[in-house]
Amino acid sequence: SYKLTQPPSVSVSPGQTASITCSGDKLGDKYASWYQQKPGQSPVLVIYQDTKRPSGIPERFSGSNSGNTATLTISGTQAMDEADYFCQAWDSSTLVVFGGGTKLTVL
Amino acid sequence: QVQLQESGPGLVKPLQTLSLTCTVSGGSISSGDYFWSWIRQPPGKGLEWIGNIYYRGSIYYNPSLKSRVTISVDTSKNQFSLKVSSVTAADTAVYYCARGEAATGTNWFDPWGQGTLVTVSS
Repeated sequence: SYKLTQPPSVSVSPGQTASITCSGDKLGDKYASWYQQKPGQSPVLVIYQDTKRPSGIPERFSGSNSGNTATLTISGTQAMDEADYFCQAWDSSTLVVFGGGTKLTVL
Repeated sequence: QVQLQESGPGLVKPLQTLSLTCTVSGGSISSGDYFWSWIRQPPGKGLEWIGNIYYRGSIYYNPSLKSRVTISVDTSKNQFSLKVSSVTAADTAVYYCARGEAATGTNWFDPWGQGTLVTVSS
């Protein structure tokens, strides 16, 4: 079955750029989506089709996908961005797969 | 805008069947542009996709859960439902319903319901 791997944690200073990676076999040949989940809340879609932002998502959130790695980039990271982030992809065998999640700490 | 709300028992005994309903408001579940999904999250862990249903009846399940899961839709009530049979403690999780959208080679979920915690315990 297809698997997506994320680092368990990433730390960033306020105002700096945070990069969260998601790795999978030939992931660049697929599309990645990203979700933000704050404590006690439901996940929120922040990026779909690798690079698209839903309405209402700040421009500081961007995505890329190439080779075996998709990356969620948060520019000018704010304290409110501290959350868990999950990547997700569609695979013909597994259908829907999520990464294990990355805890972003803003300190 | 579309909102989803899960409902159902918060406690289920081992080996019994877990049953949840998701009520969709602010939009029609019969919209051909979307599909409807169940996703769960064990406490402190990651997300696990359970399955998708299209209002016309096409259903797709996570292969690892397929033998125990049934998803159905009731367009007259604008609801869709989940049943998981023969539950164990490993099925304890927050269960989310979500609206899905697809394009060639991809899909994504937006929005999600608030989630409901289901605990499997005697």
